[in-house]
Amino acid sequence: DAKTTQPPSMDCAEGRAANLPCNHSTISGNEYVYWYRQIHSQGPQYIIHGLKNNETNEMASLIITEDRKSSTLILPHATLRDTAVYYCIVRNNNDMRFGAGTRLTVKP
Amino acid sequence: GAGVSQSPSNKVTEKGKDVELRCDPISGHTALYWYRQSLGQGLEFLIYFQGNSAPDKSGLPSDRFSAERTGGSVSTLTIQRTQQEDSAVYLCASSLDVYAQYFGPGTRLTVT
Repeated sequence: DAKTTQPPSMDCAEGRAANLPCNHSTISGNEYVYWYRQIHSQGPQYIIHGLKNNETNEMASLIITEDRKSSTLILPHATLRDTAVYYCIVRNNNDMRFGAGTRLTVKP
Repeated sequence: GAGVSQSPSNKVTEKGKDVELRCDPISGHTALYWYRQSLGQGLEFLIYFQGNSAPDKSGLPSDRFSAERTGGSVSTLTIQRTQQEDSAVYLCASSLDVYAQYFGPGTRLTVT
């Protein structure tokens, strides 16, 4: 079973920030939170990961709550090409358990 | 630079036949993973190779599935006596460290 809970779908207007939530209430102290996305018919693409602190890279920002029980992936200026399924994963050793993810649709 | 490549991109086989799927990881990546993804589903972990260590085979669904990694680089996933439920996209990923995995485009396997 996946250790994370995500909404099945979300819409976002092009140019706006997309905020994708993830609950991981059973996360252990040494487990990282990873985000991947999968554009139709392609392999998953790594986006970002974090442990405790908020993280930012060229693709996105990751906000992790202080209790680490939830996190939010932020795409600051969503484009049509960001339409994809976004997976939030809590890493447990070698087994990256991908759940159903959130299907983000960016609309013009 | 070159990413993870997989071949073939599509494979159609008859039930009962054996198939081999190939993965070429990113050069220098010590870790290699196999996953499969059924239509509309999330990814299912199959097997993990790290350097010269014994592979983690905990995700293989049955003894019909096996994988090897030769010379710490190319990997082959073999499915013997294929069944219709084996139809899926088989994804390979490699990584240099414990963090980001980089995925290939996958092999779409259809068992008729």
